[in-house]
Amino acid sequence: GQQLNQSPQSMFIQEGEDVSMNCTSSSIFNTWLWYKQEPGEGPVLLIALYKAGELTSNGRLTAQFGITRKDSFLNISASIPSDVGIYFCAGQDTGNQFYFGTGTSLTVIP
Amino acid sequence: ETGVTQSPTHLIKTRGQQVTLRCSSQSGHNTVSWYQQALGQGPQFIFQYYREEENGRGNFPPRFSGLQFPNYSSELNVNALELDDSALYLCASGRQDTEAFFGQGTRLTVV
Repeated sequence: GQQLNQSPQSMFIQEGEDVSMNCTSSSIFNTWLWYKQEPGEGPVLLIALYKAGELTSNGRLTAQFGITRKDSFLNISASIPSDVGIYFCAGQDTGNQFYFGTGTSLTVIP
Repeated sequence: ETGVTQSPTHLIKTRGQQVTLRCSSQSGHNTVSWYQQALGQGPQFIFQYYREEENGRGNFPPRFSGLQFPNYSSELNVNALELDDSALYLCASGRQDTEAFFGQGTRLTVV
Protein backbone atom coordinates (compact mmCIF):
# COMPACT_ATOMS: atom_id res chain seq x y z
CA GLY A 1 0.00 0.00 0.00
CA GLN A 2 0.96 3.61 -0.43
CA GLN A 3 2.93 5.22 2.39
CA LEU A 4 3.95 8.78 2.92
CA ASN A 5 7.53 9.85 3.49
CA GLN A 6 7.88 11.17 7.00
CA SER A 7 10.99 12.72 8.50
CA PRO A 8 12.89 12.56 10.65
CA GLN A 9 12.55 8.89 11.53
CA SER A 10 13.48 9.57 15.15
CA MET A 11 14.33 12.51 17.38
CA PHE A 12 16.01 12.81 20.76
CA ILE A 13 15.55 16.23 22.30
CA GLN A 14 15.89 18.02 25.61
CA GLU A 15 12.78 18.97 27.53
CA GLY A 16 11.77 22.51 26.59
CA GLU A 17 13.06 22.35 23.03
CA ASP A 18 10.85 22.79 19.99
CA VAL A 19 10.22 19.90 17.58
CA SER A 20 9.49 19.92 13.87
CA MET A 21 8.58 16.99 11.64
CA ASN A 22 7.19 16.78 8.14
CA CYS A 23 5.47 14.53 5.69
CA THR A 24 5.56 14.44 1.90
CA SER A 25 3.63 12.54 -0.72
CA SER A 26 3.73 12.04 -4.46
CA SER A 27 -0.07 12.28 -4.47
CA ILE A 28 -2.43 15.14 -3.72
CA PHE A 29 -4.53 14.79 -0.59
CA ASN A 30 -7.78 16.45 0.44
CA THR A 31 -7.13 16.09 4.15
CA TRP A 32 -4.01 15.83 6.28
CA LEU A 33 -4.13 14.41 9.76
CA TRP A 34 -1.56 14.09 12.52
CA TYR A 35 -1.75 11.32 15.09
CA LYS A 36 0.25 10.30 18.16
CA GLN A 37 0.57 6.65 19.12
CA GLU A 38 1.87 5.27 22.39
CA PRO A 39 2.92 1.64 22.93
CA GLY A 40 0.01 -0.81 22.91
CA GLU A 41 -2.52 1.86 21.98
CA GLY A 42 -4.26 3.00 18.84
CA PRO A 43 -3.34 6.33 17.22
CA VAL A 44 -4.92 9.41 18.80
CA LEU A 45 -5.89 12.31 16.56
CA LEU A 46 -3.97 15.53 17.28
CA ILE A 47 -4.82 17.88 14.43
CA ALA A 48 -6.92 17.68 11.25
CA LEU A 49 -6.32 19.95 8.24
CA TYR A 50 -8.84 20.36 5.43
CA LYS A 51 -7.62 23.19 3.18
CA ALA A 52 -4.38 23.85 1.33
CA GLY A 53 -2.41 26.47 3.22
CA GLU A 54 -4.37 25.94 6.43
CA LEU A 55 -2.44 26.50 9.65
CA THR A 56 -4.03 25.02 12.77
CA SER A 57 -2.97 24.93 16.40
CA ASN A 58 -3.90 22.66 19.27
CA GLY A 59 -2.19 23.88 22.43
CA ARG A 60 1.55 23.55 21.90
CA LEU A 61 1.03 21.79 18.58
CA THR A 62 0.84 23.57 15.22
CA ALA A 63 0.35 21.92 11.85
CA GLN A 64 0.09 23.19 8.31
CA PHE A 65 -1.45 21.79 5.12
CA GLY A 66 1.02 22.49 2.32
CA ILE A 67 0.00 24.70 -0.59
CA THR A 68 0.80 21.95 -3.10
CA ARG A 69 -1.46 19.55 -1.10
CA LYS A 70 1.44 17.10 -1.14
CA ASP A 71 2.99 17.91 2.20
CA SER A 72 2.35 18.87 5.80
CA PHE A 73 4.38 19.68 8.87
CA LEU A 74 3.83 19.41 12.61
CA ASN A 75 5.58 21.56 15.20
CA ILE A 76 5.61 20.98 18.94
CA SER A 77 6.77 23.89 21.07
CA ALA A 78 8.38 23.65 24.51
CA SER A 79 8.40 19.85 24.60
CA ILE A 80 7.61 17.99 27.82
CA PRO A 81 8.25 14.35 28.80
CA SER A 82 4.67 13.27 28.04
CA ASP A 83 5.18 14.24 24.39
CA VAL A 84 7.11 10.98 24.01
CA GLY A 85 5.57 8.67 21.43
CA ILE A 86 5.40 7.97 17.71
CA TYR A 87 3.85 10.65 15.55
CA PHE A 88 2.17 9.70 12.29
CA CYS A 89 0.92 11.84 9.47
CA ALA A 90 -1.97 10.57 7.36
CA GLY A 91 -3.41 11.82 4.11
CA GLN A 92 -6.89 11.22 2.80
CA ASP A 93 -7.32 10.95 -0.96
CA THR A 94 -10.34 11.61 -3.14
CA GLY A 95 -11.39 7.98 -2.63
CA ASN A 96 -11.70 8.59 1.13
CA GLN A 97 -8.80 6.26 1.83
CA PHE A 98 -6.19 7.14 4.43
CA TYR A 99 -2.49 6.59 3.89
CA PHE A 100 -0.09 6.77 6.81
CA GLY A 101 3.45 7.97 7.09
CA THR A 102 6.28 5.85 8.39
CA GLY A 103 6.25 7.61 11.75
CA THR A 104 8.56 9.84 13.77
CA SER A 105 9.66 8.46 17.12
CA LEU A 106 10.09 11.27 19.66
CA THR A 107 12.11 10.91 22.84
CA VAL A 108 12.18 13.82 25.29
CA ILE A 109 15.04 13.86 27.76
CA PRO A 110 14.13 15.51 31.06
CA GLU B 1 -11.48 8.51 24.81
CA THR B 2 -12.50 8.05 21.17
CA GLY B 3 -15.67 6.03 21.69
CA VAL B 4 -14.34 3.30 19.40
CA THR B 5 -13.83 -0.04 21.09
CA GLN B 6 -12.28 -3.22 19.76
CA SER B 7 -12.39 -6.80 20.95
CA PRO B 8 -10.55 -8.85 21.86
CA THR B 9 -7.48 -6.85 22.89
CA HIS B 10 -5.15 -9.79 22.37
CA LEU B 11 -5.48 -13.04 20.45
CA ILE B 12 -3.27 -15.99 19.61
CA LYS B 13 -4.14 -18.21 16.63
CA THR B 14 -2.50 -21.07 14.80
CA ARG B 15 -1.45 -20.83 11.16
CA GLY B 16 -4.32 -21.88 8.88
CA GLN B 17 -7.05 -20.93 11.32
CA GLN B 18 -9.66 -18.23 10.83
CA VAL B 19 -10.17 -15.18 13.04
CA THR B 20 -12.89 -12.57 13.56
CA LEU B 21 -12.09 -9.21 15.09
CA ARG B 22 -14.79 -6.81 16.25
CA CYS B 23 -15.18 -3.05 16.41
CA SER B 24 -17.87 -0.91 17.96
CA SER B 25 -18.00 2.50 16.38
CA GLN B 26 -18.87 5.84 17.89
CA SER B 27 -22.53 6.83 17.62
CA GLY B 28 -23.24 8.87 14.49
CA HIS B 29 -20.26 7.58 12.53
CA ASN B 30 -21.20 5.96 9.24
CA THR B 31 -17.79 4.84 7.99
CA VAL B 32 -15.45 2.30 9.47
CA SER B 33 -12.00 1.43 8.23
CA TRP B 34 -9.66 -1.38 9.18
CA TYR B 35 -5.88 -1.17 9.26
CA GLN B 36 -3.02 -3.58 9.80
CA GLN B 37 -0.02 -2.25 11.68
CA ALA B 38 3.10 -4.37 11.75
CA LEU B 39 5.71 -3.70 14.42
CA GLY B 40 7.62 -0.51 13.72
CA GLN B 41 5.44 0.45 10.77
CA GLY B 42 2.60 2.84 10.11
CA PRO B 43 -0.96 1.50 9.75
CA GLN B 44 -1.74 -0.02 6.35
CA PHE B 45 -5.25 0.47 4.99
CA ILE B 46 -7.17 -2.82 4.53
CA PHE B 47 -10.64 -1.61 3.57
CA GLN B 48 -13.40 0.82 4.42
CA TYR B 49 -17.12 0.29 4.84
CA TYR B 50 -19.71 2.99 4.33
CA ARG B 51 -23.37 2.30 4.99
CA GLU B 52 -22.69 -1.44 5.16
CA GLU B 53 -20.94 -1.69 1.80
CA GLU B 54 -17.24 -1.92 1.02
CA ASN B 55 -16.11 1.54 -0.09
CA GLY B 56 -12.46 1.06 -0.91
CA ARG B 57 -9.82 -1.58 -0.46
CA GLY B 58 -6.09 -1.59 0.02
CA ASN B 59 -3.58 -4.13 -1.25
CA PHE B 60 -4.77 -7.11 0.80
CA PRO B 61 -5.83 -10.56 -0.49
CA PRO B 62 -9.47 -11.73 -0.54
CA ARG B 63 -8.98 -13.83 2.59
CA PHE B 64 -9.30 -10.48 4.41
CA SER B 65 -13.01 -9.66 4.46
CA GLY B 66 -15.33 -7.52 6.49
CA LEU B 67 -18.84 -6.61 7.48
CA GLN B 68 -20.49 -3.47 8.76
CA PHE B 69 -23.78 -3.76 10.62
CA PRO B 70 -26.72 -1.32 10.82
CA ASN B 71 -25.65 -0.27 14.30
CA TYR B 72 -22.26 0.72 12.80
CA SER B 73 -20.39 -2.08 14.50
CA SER B 74 -18.01 -3.94 12.24
CA GLU B 75 -16.07 -7.17 11.84
CA LEU B 76 -12.79 -8.05 10.19
CA ASN B 77 -12.44 -11.69 9.16
CA VAL B 78 -9.17 -13.26 8.13
CA ASN B 79 -9.12 -16.80 6.72
CA ALA B 80 -6.21 -19.20 6.37
CA LEU B 81 -4.00 -17.24 8.75
CA GLU B 82 -0.33 -16.88 7.91
CA LEU B 83 2.55 -16.05 10.23
CA ASP B 84 2.92 -12.64 8.55
CA ASP B 85 -0.62 -11.76 9.59
CA SER B 86 0.70 -11.19 13.11
CA ALA B 87 0.13 -7.48 13.74
CA LEU B 88 -1.93 -4.88 15.55
CA TYR B 89 -5.31 -4.55 13.83
CA LEU B 90 -6.94 -1.16 14.17
CA CYS B 91 -10.40 0.02 13.30
CA ALA B 92 -11.25 3.66 12.83
CA SER B 93 -14.67 5.21 12.53
CA GLY B 94 -15.83 8.56 11.28
CA ARG B 95 -18.22 10.31 8.97
CA GLN B 96 -17.63 10.67 5.25
CA ASP B 97 -14.99 13.33 4.55
CA THR B 98 -14.08 13.85 8.21
CA GLU B 99 -11.29 12.60 10.41
CA ALA B 100 -11.12 9.05 11.69
CA PHE B 101 -11.00 8.06 15.35
CA PHE B 102 -9.16 4.87 16.24
CA GLY B 103 -9.84 2.10 18.66
CA GLN B 104 -7.08 0.71 20.86
CA GLY B 105 -6.48 -2.20 18.50
CA THR B 106 -6.38 -6.00 18.65
CA ARG B 107 -2.95 -7.59 18.88
CA LEU B 108 -3.05 -10.79 16.79
CA THR B 109 -0.27 -13.32 17.06
CA VAL B 110 -0.17 -16.23 14.61
CA VAL B 111 1.98 -19.17 15.64
